[in-house]
Amino acid sequence: QKEVEQDPGPLSVPEGAIVSLNCTYSNSAFQYFMWYRQYSRKGPELLMYTYSSGNKEDGRFTAQVDKSSKYISLFIRDSQPSDSATYLCAMSEGTSYDKVIFGPGTSLSVIP
Amino acid sequence: NAGVTQTPKFQVLKTGQSMTLQCAQDMNHNSMYWYRQDPGMGLRLIYYSASEGTTDKGEVPNGYNVSRLNKREFSLRLESAAPSQTSVYFCASKTAGEQYFGPGTRLTVT
Repeated sequence: QKEVEQDPGPLSVPEGAIVSLNCTYSNSAFQYFMWYRQYSRKGPELLMYTYSSGNKEDGRFTAQVDKSSKYISLFIRDSQPSDSATYLCAMSEGTSYDKVIFGPGTSLSVIP
Repeated sequence: NAGVTQTPKFQVLKTGQSMTLQCAQDMNHNSMYWYRQDPGMGLRLIYYSASEGTTDKGEVPNGYNVSRLNKREFSLRLESAAPSQTSVYFCASKTAGEQYFGPGTRLTVT
């Protein structure tokens, strides 16, 4: 079993839809949970990070962490064509020097 | 505030040639990382450095060496390039829960 699992998609939605992206993980020591957006031929861009369980909202993006289920989600409201990208979840134990474990990424297309 | 910078952006090497990829960060982070990204393989960790003067192997270190020159700079060296090292290379730096990436170096080995 991989440490972090993520449905690779591709996921295609109409403009304005609510998008739900999800990851599951196996290491209960993970404390920090990150979501990255990566456009084609660009570096991953940190969208949001969350410490421990709970929700965090930033504009149209909401990150949720359920540590009891080892499950994290990213919701995108009112999706736009500019949201078309690959979304990677990532997590770490939270020390300043530890490794970050990435999911394989979900490819999202928002159709106008 | 430039974040994480990488040079060069593109490079073509012949098999057996050597080169060094440069990375620098201006966020005063202790930890720095080198990844490669290949289609269908996701991001794979090559080497990382927890602090100045320390380096550790990641998932795919063979064929690479690294140097943590100072707190800001972390370089990746290919001593004898092979076609299997054709990839996009990303440098990153990290503090606690936040890791930031550079724009990448697209390397082709023929």
